[in-house]
Amino acid sequence: SQTIHQWPATLVQPVGSPLSLECTVEGTSNPNLYWYRQAAGRGLQLLFYSVGIGQISSEVPQNLSASRPQDRQFILSSKKLLLSDSGFYLCAWRKTGQGSGKLFFGSGTQLSVL
Amino acid sequence: GIQVEQSPPDLILQEGANSTLRCNFSDSVNNLQWFHQNPWGQLINLFYIPSGTKQNGRLSATTVATERYSLLYISSSQTTDSGVYFCSLSYNTDKLIFGTGTRLQVFP
Repeated sequence: SQTIHQWPATLVQPVGSPLSLECTVEGTSNPNLYWYRQAAGRGLQLLFYSVGIGQISSEVPQNLSASRPQDRQFILSSKKLLLSDSGFYLCAWRKTGQGSGKLFFGSGTQLSVL
Repeated sequence: GIQVEQSPPDLILQEGANSTLRCNFSDSVNNLQWFHQNPWGQLINLFYIPSGTKQNGRLSATTVATERYSLLYISSSQTTDSGVYFCSLSYNTDKLIFGTGTRLQVFP
């Protein structure tokens, strides 16, 4: 069966510090991978998605970046965090191709930038 | 731009009541799905339903793609149904976007 791992669960970082959040998927190959952000009490905002190694689509202009160095690894990064980067970050995956179907989420990272 | 609207934004029920949540979209869509986010933030996929009707226990969902809406039915609600319900979809791409959500509170 497929599983998705996301860490850390919580993170407190000072303004201006770097960020690296990692997400890995097991039990499948060539998945579509997604990063979403959720502000408190709000909906999910799509940040990045990837349909293959090295292929990243950016949806929101910001100081965040994403990379996919391996087939089942998706990394969200920042060189210098802003207060507005605080939020709940969620990684997700789904199969590619015909009948790709359901989207599955990791457990999320609560990021507080102080 | 792409429009995905959910209604109602908030819903308060007593245990045992039934409810209908709606997701309206502005164009032909793919990959329509319904999610439940529990109070701890975990998102659970309830249904993948690009068209037709599916049922899973007390929950069922219907998508009428030609009329650009999807409905999620919750029958005999329980306190554990509380949380936020989202619909998600894509428009002929791999880009999956989410609606604004419906916050459900079920009281005993």
